[in-house]
Amino acid sequence: KAGVTQTPRYLIKTRGQQVTLSCSPISGHRSVSWYQQTPGQGLQFLFEYFSETQRNKGNFPGRFSGRQFSNSRSEMNVSTLELGDSALYLCASSPVPFYEQYFGPGTRLTVT
Amino acid sequence: KNEVEQSPQNLTAQEGEFITINCSYSVGISALHWLQQHPGGGIVSLFMLSSGKKKHGRLIATINIQEKHSSLHITASHPRDSAVYICAVRFNTDKLIFGTGTRLQVFP
Repeated sequence: KAGVTQTPRYLIKTRGQQVTLSCSPISGHRSVSWYQQTPGQGLQFLFEYFSETQRNKGNFPGRFSGRQFSNSRSEMNVSTLELGDSALYLCASSPVPFYEQYFGPGTRLTVT
Repeated sequence: KNEVEQSPQNLTAQEGEFITINCSYSVGISALHWLQQHPGGGIVSLFMLSSGKKKHGRLIATINIQEKHSSLHITASHPRDSAVYICAVRFNTDKLIFGTGTRLQVFP
């Protein structure tokens, strides 16, 4: 089985722009979670989706949003980018929530 | 309040040593995960625990629900074990909180 894939792997954006990141889960996995990792804050939970529904959300501003499609692929969007949004964004999939998660390689976003 | 404390922050060992990394949490949980992150960012899930003990190769993870504490042990450590180890706790509130990570370096 192919692993979790994330696109793009690297991205450079300017303050004020918006960005969309994509995550394709392992085939058959219906739960997708997103995380942000920064040197200062470490790993933080962003959202969790299951069967196209957001079932859990971390403590992030409304500029961070996401969705999941019927094929379980997920996207996250960050609007009005700030310098502090520079981070590694990781997604992880599992068959259902509360199961062991499989992580993608991440998208490294740099905001200048 | 949902809190997770992980220790030590940094750990240096000689090859062959027995390693222990600790994770404590504040209130009731539904599951605790141990993750491994290598330089370059890739994360691998090592264990998911809700009770007792799990073993995979040289890695052992234990959890004590009453004491709200989990440990990750590495027996006969090897330089390839050098990585950051992170515990992640899913609380009964369904919130997922990560520890700050333990940076392990194993020297030959």
